Amino acid sequence: AQSVAQPEDQVNVAEGNPLTVKCTYSVSGNPYLFWYVQYPNRGLQFLLKYITGDNLVKGSYGFEAEFNKSQTSFHLKKPSALVSDSALYFCAVRDGTGANNLFFGTGTRLTVIP
Amino acid sequence: DGGITQSPKYLFRKEGQNVTLSCEQNLNHDAMYWYRQDPGQGLRLIYYSQIVNDFQKGDIAEGYSVSREKKESFPLTVTSAQKNPTAFYLCASSNGMDIQYFGAGTRLSVL
Repeated sequence: AQSVAQPEDQVNVAEGNPLTVKCTYSVSGNPYLFWYVQYPNRGLQFLLKYITGDNLVKGSYGFEAEFNKSQTSFHLKKPSALVSDSALYFCAVRDGTGANNLFFGTGTRLTVIP
Repeated sequence: DGGITQSPKYLFRKEGQNVTLSCEQNLNHDAMYWYRQDPGQGLRLIYYSQIVNDFQKGDIAEGYSVSREKKESFPLTVTSAQKNPTAFYLCASSNGMDIQYFGAGTRLSVL
């Protein structure tokens, strides 16, 4: 069975500082991992994905994520946080049945403090 | 949110009433999905459809129904059997095994 854990409900970071939003996963077979961002009262926007290849994945808006197979983690990172990055972030893993269903974590609310 | 239109943005349901949420996509995607979002619980899959005229139950299908008569449309009906319908509902579509794209959502409340 697939599962995703986002251990932090809330992350606060000062503007200009690096940010990390944590995600760990459990999946049988090869992991297909995604990060999405949600702004208030809006749908989810795709940020980046890991399917195969380099462990460091670059995505939209300067975000990147590091895949670590031994630690089963896929943490989202950004070198310098902006106030506009404040939002709800979801990690997701695709199931292995071929249905392309995504299993989402419970989300992490990022607040960037000016 | 581009390419997927959900309507209405806000919806109110009375006791015993069925309500239908609309989802339309112009991305020519085969697969479409409905999710329910509650605070602190992430997104949970209600129904999904891989192809026209076919759909499958997700994790929390009880009290909901769907149809997929056209490729671009995947309406969700919240029936009176759903005793706790207040939530934010999100529709998504994808092209095969790739990224899911989401609509802007419908917020359903009970009067």
